[in-house]
Amino acid sequence: KAGVTQTPRYLIKTRGQQVTLSCSPISGHRSVSWYQQTPGQGLQFLFEYFSETQRNKGNFPGRFSGRQFSNSRSEMNVSTLELGDSALYLCASSIQDGTTEAFFGQGTRLTVV
Amino acid sequence: AQSVSQHNHHVILSEAASLELGCNYSYGGTVNLFWYVQYPGQHLQLLLKYFSGDPLVKGIKGFEAEFIKSKFSFNLRKPSVQWSDTAEYFCAVISYNTDKLIFGTGTRLQVFP
Repeated sequence: KAGVTQTPRYLIKTRGQQVTLSCSPISGHRSVSWYQQTPGQGLQFLFEYFSETQRNKGNFPGRFSGRQFSNSRSEMNVSTLELGDSALYLCASSIQDGTTEAFFGQGTRLTVV
Repeated sequence: AQSVSQHNHHVILSEAASLELGCNYSYGGTVNLFWYVQYPGQHLQLLLKYFSGDPLVKGIKGFEAEFIKSKFSFNLRKPSVQWSDTAEYFCAVISYNTDKLIFGTGTRLQVFP
């Protein structure tokens, strides 16, 4: 059974640009969550999607947005990139909702220069 | 605000030493509790979880954790660590009220032979 797949693995962008990250959940999983991981801050919750609807949202500015498609694949978009957005972005999928076990992808390492 | 605290940021041990990593959370009501591990260069993976029942749960690789509801704690333990346990450990909590899986800032464990 294939795991959670995130693409691309690495990205370098310049300030002011926008970026789109992709996440393919485990087959049959309908919930996809996104996290930002930085040294010292741990994993901070960005948002969760279930059946194409955003069900939960963390405390991030509106520059961070996402969506989920009918096949449960999800994308995360960050507009007007700032240096502080440099981080590892992790996607997690679970069968139904966050009360069940979440399976994580390898992450996308975003560097903003 | 709901939060998860891991008080040990960096722990250094010799092989065969015992390990206990603290985790406290500030949620009320029903919660599910998790410990995840991130080995160098690898994705986050589940060590163990508590949903209900026996508050002492056993996970993979000899790890266990005890849920103490009165103390809002879910500490991770291992009687004898190995060099291969070198990793970062994250405690995570999800409240049935919020459905958000919230992580602590992580504890970096280094085990020396």
